[in-house]
Amino acid sequence: AQKITQTQPGMFVQEKEAVTLDCTYDTSDPSYGLFWYKQPSSGEMIFLIYQGSYDQQNATEGRYSLNFQKARKSANLVISASQLGDSAMYFCAMREALLTSYKLIFGSGTRLLVRP
Amino acid sequence: ETGVTQTPRHLVMGMTNKKSLKCEQHLGHNAMYWYKQSAKKPLELMFVYNFKEQTENNSVPSRFSPECPNSSHLFLHLHTLQPEDSALYLCASSQDTFNTEAFFGQGTRLTVV
Repeated sequence: AQKITQTQPGMFVQEKEAVTLDCTYDTSDPSYGLFWYKQPSSGEMIFLIYQGSYDQQNATEGRYSLNFQKARKSANLVISASQLGDSAMYFCAMREALLTSYKLIFGSGTRLLVRP
Repeated sequence: ETGVTQTPRHLVMGMTNKKSLKCEQHLGHNAMYWYKQSAKKPLELMFVYNFKEQTENNSVPSRFSPECPNSSHLFLHLHTLQPEDSALYLCASSQDTFNTEAFFGQGTRLTVV
């Protein structure tokens, strides 16, 4: 069963406007972490923001904020004041426990295109 | 210079070839990972190394053989691959396997012909 769901394969946003990228997750582990990564056309995955399951406040990093709604199991990424350089693939990921360690499970991604 | 460097950036190989992908990290991390990113599929974890020891093999076919000689270097040896193995192979590292804030390299774009 898919544990990370990103329902928006592609999104457009006008430069300088805000955009929300959706992510829902499924886990029975009470302790988990949620991540957002950006992947430009160069291929590198760039870490953007992290939210722990016990964090009381929504995570923020510059223009990125995470709208964490625990009861709804959603962790949407909000990008404020979009810039042309924000055009990229965005992946939501969740930390999942393995036998002796953790791994990241990734969603299928959302391609964001910022229009000038 | 990024913290995680992968070489080569692009690789085209025949199904009978043997090649290796290299990953090097300068972050002082102890855990390293290989991921496969195929078109229109989520990233798939392949292997995990922690302190040079392989801790996870995510049911990867034996034609992919990882090697971790030290905590800074990770290799993926490729042998008799199939066209469906064509993908972007991403290396990542983290402080350890319990701290999964992972830093990724730029990947190797592999094409099997």
